[in-house]
Amino acid sequence: EAQVTQNPRYLITVTGKKLTVTCSQNMNHEYMSWYRQDPGLGLRQIYYSMNVEVTDKGDVPEGYKVSRKEKRNFPLILESPSPNQTSLYFCASSPAPTPNEKLFFGSGTQLSVL
Amino acid sequence: AQSVTQLDSHVSVSEGTPVLLRCNYSSSYSPSLFWYVQHPNKGLQLLLKYTSAATLVKGINGFEAEFKKSETSFHLTKPSAHMSDAAEYFCVVRTTDSWGKLQFGAGTQVVVTP
Repeated sequence: EAQVTQNPRYLITVTGKKLTVTCSQNMNHEYMSWYRQDPGLGLRQIYYSMNVEVTDKGDVPEGYKVSRKEKRNFPLILESPSPNQTSLYFCASSPAPTPNEKLFFGSGTQLSVL
Repeated sequence: AQSVTQLDSHVSVSEGTPVLLRCNYSSSYSPSLFWYVQHPNKGLQLLLKYTSAATLVKGINGFEAEFKKSETSFHLTKPSAHMSDAAEYFCVVRTTDSWGKLQFGAGTQVVVTP
């Protein structure tokens, strides 16, 4: 089944403790991206990747890192999480590079930073 | 640069009556526009997309949207609401000059009453 898989589904952590949220897709998509969803703000793009080893900042990249060492995986890294990073996070992917392609979304990761 | 404004944060309709969700965008380049739906505790699903072909776009579940360049709008409509339409809806813009970046609207929460 074609899907985008995020792990974990829920995560509670403490300020400053490094964490990684994984994202994997099995559709051979070139484009992958991360978003955070906060009430009243919709989804805001954190980082995106056009292909392996090609990443770029979205609108809210501060406090986050990403890497794209292989096509299927696009992990989101929080080196030193803070409470303002408490949010619902979504990973998404789409096929080869045109603006018309739809996004396939993961089921989300609810992160709480205490 | 691009941006999206969803004019209503909440819309309440009775089952069987029409639904209108309003979206205005700004873009310096030709936009691709999308509507996504998010049901409670789920990821996002594409409803429909505009990609410079027909200005009236039909999507899934009876939804349609009309692209009006002169008004920079992409409003979503459905003639008759169903209980299963209760969800949050997001208008999204992507442009050809920087298609890796996406802008989401803040979302419209739709409530359907019997």
